[in-house]
Amino acid sequence: QQQVKQSPQSLIVQKGGISIINCAYENTAFDYFPWYQQFPGKGPALLIAIRPDVSEKKEGRFTISFNKSAKQFSLHIMDSQPGDSATYFCAASPDSNYQLIWGAGTKLIIKP
Amino acid sequence: DAGVIQSPRHEVTEMGQEVTLRCKPISGHNSLFWYRQTMMRGLELLIYFNNNVPIDDSGMPEDRFSAKMPNASFSTLKIQPSEPRDSAVYFCASRISLDTGELFFGEGSRLTVL
Repeated sequence: QQQVKQSPQSLIVQKGGISIINCAYENTAFDYFPWYQQFPGKGPALLIAIRPDVSEKKEGRFTISFNKSAKQFSLHIMDSQPGDSATYFCAASPDSNYQLIWGAGTKLIIKP
Repeated sequence: DAGVIQSPRHEVTEMGQEVTLRCKPISGHNSLFWYRQTMMRGLELLIYFNNNVPIDDSGMPEDRFSAKMPNASFSTLKIQPSEPRDSAVYFCASRISLDTGELFFGEGSRLTVL
């Protein structure tokens, strides 16, 4: 019940296309859902995060869509660029807890 | 701010040797986390501290692993004796408090145990 399942494991998208990464969870106590971006040789960095009181959050080309009833959330990258090539991690945590539960990661490659 | 600083960036050692990884959190951050990243297991939380006190070390894989935080600006993760299966990238991360704020990661220490 503590797991966060992330898919796909890897994704290749043409430049200018839309990249979509999905995550699903079981624990209804989860209350905070961040996405982290990791470039090779670097640590993960927070990209965007959402709480379940909204169904969507957009920051530039990055959007989180959240479906509370389905217990799923996804990251959409519009107009994908080669510089977006990285590994993306979803995560979740209960509001009263500080320990993030991490997805397995998605390696995204944007082809020029 | 300089961000979370980790050293060494790369460490190659032989099985049985002691390894010490170091971390300087962002100034003003009261919580510090040690993670391990491998292809097989992804990101694993090893231990975290709040106000220099270890809160939960249940992620530490074995007694060979130990971590300390003697003051607010320094933490170490020690592996003694090291084994080839300890080969991984070890990340330190900090945040303002245990349940508030963004988690900031260092660039990691890549450990190879031969």
